[in-house]
Amino acid sequence: AQSVTQLDSQVPVFEEAPVELRCNYSSSVSVYLFWYVQYPNQGLQLLLKYLSGSTLVKGINGFEAEFNKSQTSFHLRKPSVHISDTAEYFCAVSNTGGFKTIFGAGTRLFVKA
Amino acid sequence: DTAVSQTPKYLVTQMGNDKSIKCEQNLGHDTMYWYKQDSKKFLKIMFSYNNKELIINETVPNRFSPKSPDKAHLNLHINSLELGDSAVYFCASSQERATDTQYFGPGTRLTVL
Repeated sequence: AQSVTQLDSQVPVFEEAPVELRCNYSSSVSVYLFWYVQYPNQGLQLLLKYLSGSTLVKGINGFEAEFNKSQTSFHLRKPSVHISDTAEYFCAVSNTGGFKTIFGAGTRLFVKA
Repeated sequence: DTAVSQTPKYLVTQMGNDKSIKCEQNLGHDTMYWYKQDSKKFLKIMFSYNNKELIINETVPNRFSPKSPDKAHLNLHINSLELGDSAVYFCASSQERATDTQYFGPGTRLTVL
């Protein structure tokens, strides 16, 4: 069975500071990994995804994530955050060829001025 | 044009009533999903449909009955509503597999009184 653990439920950070949102997964098979963002009162939208190849994945809005197979992690980073990055961030996993995505519990990123 | 739309956006109803939520996507995708997001933002898949066929049913009570009249629509009917059904319900679609990017609707906030 697959599972996703987001290690921080809330991350407060000052504007222009760097941020890392942590995600660990478990799976007995090859996985595809995703980060989605949910702005207040909206649906989710994809930030980035890892399918194969380079372990460093770049996404929209200056975010990037690194797939680490040995540590079963897929942490999300941004070197300098903006107030507009305040949102809920979800790490997710899906297995090869499947129709099911498992989402983590979410991390609320709160950017302060 | 909205890629994935849901109606209604808000739904307030009494326990025991029956209600429906409609979802439409204009992306030409083959797969559609229903997710439930609880008050703690936890997002859980309920159903996956591929080419109008049910692929995933995540042990959802049979009071919930999805219907896909065509590939562009996936509606959710809920019988005998209970207090615990209160949540935000999201529809999503993807090209084919869950490994493809999922596009989410804006959500329907259901409140059962």
